[in-house]
Amino acid sequence: GENVEQHPSTLSVQEGDSAVIKCTYSDSASNYFPWYKQELGKGPQLIIDIRSNVGEKKDQRIAVTLNKTAKHFSLHITETQPEDSAVYFCAARPGGTGFQKLVFGTGTRLLVSP
Amino acid sequence: GAGVSQSPSNKVTEKGKDVELRCDPISGHTALYWYRQSLGQGLEFLIYFQGNSAPDKSGLPSDRFSAERTGGSVSTLTIQRTQQEDSAVYLCATKRTGPADTQYFGPGTRLTVL
Repeated sequence: GENVEQHPSTLSVQEGDSAVIKCTYSDSASNYFPWYKQELGKGPQLIIDIRSNVGEKKDQRIAVTLNKTAKHFSLHITETQPEDSAVYFCAARPGGTGFQKLVFGTGTRLLVSP
Repeated sequence: GAGVSQSPSNKVTEKGKDVELRCDPISGHTALYWYRQSLGQGLEFLIYFQGNSAPDKSGLPSDRFSAERTGGSVSTLTIQRTQQEDSAVYLCATKRTGPADTQYFGPGTRLTVL
């Protein structure tokens, strides 16, 4: 089945710096890749997603890139702010019979220092 | 509109007792998912409902775990004879049918088994 690996597990940056989180997946049939942000005590919230027919997508300070050949995708946050501090999860939707669920990475704790 | 709600928000129980966790989906969302999030880990898929049926139960860790959904709405996850390793945050997510991909998560139920 699908396996998603996420790095780094923790990331500390200064306010205004950029942050990059990387994920790899194993199922070449996976076709949907969302990113979720989880703040303390809350459920994950979708921040951006990308489908397999697109290589890059941007939404203000957030961008996601997808390399289908290498089977990896990345989250890029520019001009980080303290309120960006949270745990970020990548996920992949497998192909085949498992297509209705998401397989998540283990998360990246991002700390943005003022 | 109202988001996904879960109850209780916290549950402390003794080893061996049964627990029920409830999920109220966003109105009109026919797909419903249960995930488990252990401390410092990613989200582990448990079960997926489409309407009242569960075509994918592959993530349920043992026969002590069961779930049902009634009226295509509320879902209950039941854990019988709880064990300490069941301690985790249990998250529910829902989405519309059709090509919509976004899963919307509830705040979760934090289960502690003493």
